[in-house]
Amino acid sequence: AQTVTQSQPEMSVQEAETVTLSCTYDTSESDYYLFWYKQPPSRQMILVIRQEAYKQQNATENRFSVNFQKAAKSFSLKISDSQLGDAAMYFCAYRRNNNNDMRFGAGTRLTVKP
Amino acid sequence: EPEVTQTPSHQVTQMGQEVILRCVPISNHLYFYWYRQILGQKVEFLVSFYNNEISEKSEIFDDQFSVERPDGSNFTLKIRSTKLEDSAMYFCASSEATGSFTEAFFGQGTRLTVV
Repeated sequence: AQTVTQSQPEMSVQEAETVTLSCTYDTSESDYYLFWYKQPPSRQMILVIRQEAYKQQNATENRFSVNFQKAAKSFSLKISDSQLGDAAMYFCAYRRNNNNDMRFGAGTRLTVKP
Repeated sequence: EPEVTQTPSHQVTQMGQEVILRCVPISNHLYFYWYRQILGQKVEFLVSFYNNEISEKSEIFDDQFSVERPDGSNFTLKIRSTKLEDSAMYFCASSEATGSFTEAFFGQGTRLTVV
């Protein structure tokens, strides 16, 4: 079974600083995809960044980047230059190839302090 | 920007009653999903739907649940006889295509409270 674990229920960062959110997953598959979703207080989940497991290069989207360690089954999210608008619940998600069942972690609530 | 819309935002229902949660996916999307999130717990996959039939469902999606695309724009989730443990946030999502790298767009959710 595929499971996704986010070990940090809550994280806090000072505005303009950098924060890293952890995610590990368990799978026996070799072909899969990983996602980070952001869920602001309005509760609509928004895709932040995604990574194909077969790509060694870490994905980057502006201030958001990932550290994908396939052997360790780790997929952390780094937010640089944190902004107040980054405050949200962040979910790590996994989906294996050719499958619609996306598995989510329990989420990490990020607080950004001014 | 197109978005997935869900109605109502909050539904309160008596245990044993039927409830229908409604979703309008993004218009050119072909794949539709329902997820739920029990308070304080993970977001869980319920079902995916394509070409007017269920393509995948989880073990949560038992005979009490059904989905329908009644008119080409709405996508509904029906719970026939609600139980207290059905209380959760229900999210609808849609995507242009399937394939694991495809982005799914989520609605804002419907909070279902069963009393």
